[in-house]
Amino acid sequence: AQKVTQAQTEISVVEKEDVTLDCVYETRDTTYYLFWYKQPPSGELVFLIRRNSFDEQNEISGRYSWNFQKSTSSFNFTITASQVVDSAVYFCALSEAGAGNMLTFGGGTRLMVKP
Amino acid sequence: DVKVTQSSRYLVKRTGEKVFLECVQDMDHENMFWYRQDPGLGLRLIYFSYDVKMKEKGDIPEGYSVSREKKERFSLILESASTNQTSMYLCASSLLGTVTGELFFGEGSRLTVL
Repeated sequence: AQKVTQAQTEISVVEKEDVTLDCVYETRDTTYYLFWYKQPPSGELVFLIRRNSFDEQNEISGRYSWNFQKSTSSFNFTITASQVVDSAVYFCALSEAGAGNMLTFGGGTRLMVKP
Repeated sequence: DVKVTQSSRYLVKRTGEKVFLECVQDMDHENMFWYRQDPGLGLRLIYFSYDVKMKEKGDIPEGYSVSREKKERFSLILESASTNQTSMYLCASSLLGTVTGELFFGEGSRLTVL
């Protein structure tokens, strides 16, 4: 069975600090997809990124970067120079290829960025 | 602007009441989902539907049912609400495809059962 673990339940940083959100996953499939979603205080989850299991290249999008390491089953998310607007709950999720569009989510990490 | 709309942001119901949570999407998506969000547990899938009148159980379907009579609308029904169903309910939709696609979420419905 697939499982996603986000060990950090809450992280508090001061604006402009870098912060890394950890995500560890378990799956028996060789083909799977990993996601990160952001849930701001408004409540609506917003898609950030999708990676497939065959693409281990790290990705950077502005202040956001993602580090995918199959050897450690991790898909960590780093925010560089954090801003107050980054305050949200962040979810990591996994979907096995055979599971269609069903995602298994981690427990989420609440990030608080203080001015 | 594409959108998933949930009919009620906040509801307060009494134990034993029948509760309907409505979700409408305007993106012509085939897939629709109902998740429940609880602190520390993340999002857990209750039911999903990949076509009109089709439904599949998720991880925690007990105590819930769903209805999908039209492609754009997916309803979650609590036949007899209980206090342990107090939670945030999130609806989502996505395109049907062989590759898992991006989910689009509504803003959530926070249900309190007294």
